[in-house]
Amino acid sequence: EVQLVESGGGLVQPGRSLRLSCAASGFTFDDYAMHWVRQAPGKGLEWVSGISWNSGNIGFADSVKGRFTISRDNAKNSLFLQMNSLRAEDTALYYCAKDISPLDTAMVSYGMDVWGQGTTVTVSS
Amino acid sequence: QSALTQPASVSGSPGQSITISCTGTSSAVGSYNVVSWYQQHPGKAPKLMIYEGSKRPSGVSNRFSGSKSGNTASLTISGLQAEDEADYYCCSYAGSSTLVFGGGTKLTVL
Repeated sequence: EVQLVESGGGLVQPGRSLRLSCAASGFTFDDYAMHWVRQAPGKGLEWVSGISWNSGNIGFADSVKGRFTISRDNAKNSLFLQMNSLRAEDTALYYCAKDISPLDTAMVSYGMDVWGQGTTVTVSS
Repeated sequence: QSALTQPASVSGSPGQSITISCTGTSSAVGSYNVVSWYQQHPGKAPKLMIYEGSKRPSGVSNRFSGSKSGNTASLTISGLQAEDEADYYCCSYAGSSTLVFGGGTKLTVL
């Protein structure tokens, strides 16, 4: 079964850091670009960051650029999101998502076909 | 990275067809045929309904179709059913390894 399981969310004070993880199974992880997408309470989806299959292309939303980093460990079928200098507006449910097209080096993303159930990040003092 | 523009809400009766638009810029939607569409029911993770502009993943009903004209992509749902009631989001490549979502459209089946 193709599956993504996020972990690492929690309550954190403004200005602190948190590292999210996403464990993948059921597919050849190192063939696909991966993404983090978040959804603030009662709001829409926001793409946060993406990384190509070979880590050669990485992108960030302007709202997190310079504060968040993304990485992957293909040997461990894992995706990570390091979040620093957290703000109240980063409070959201964070989803990990798999790209549908393999070996998309440019990471144009034709679509995200597998999603995890999300991990909740709450930034509050 | 400006969000793509979607209508906040659309509605239709069972059996009817509806179309949700998604307007971007020439650098997002217009330049690439990589718009995708997602369905999200309350409390659930998003589900991919259309990818690469007009392709349906395996298991998605052929009542769902996607198209694009210029800077505007569209999702059409024909033969509306009660279970289609959900939020729908478009997403497009926006250049420089970035993606952008639309604000979302709430579909109500009357």
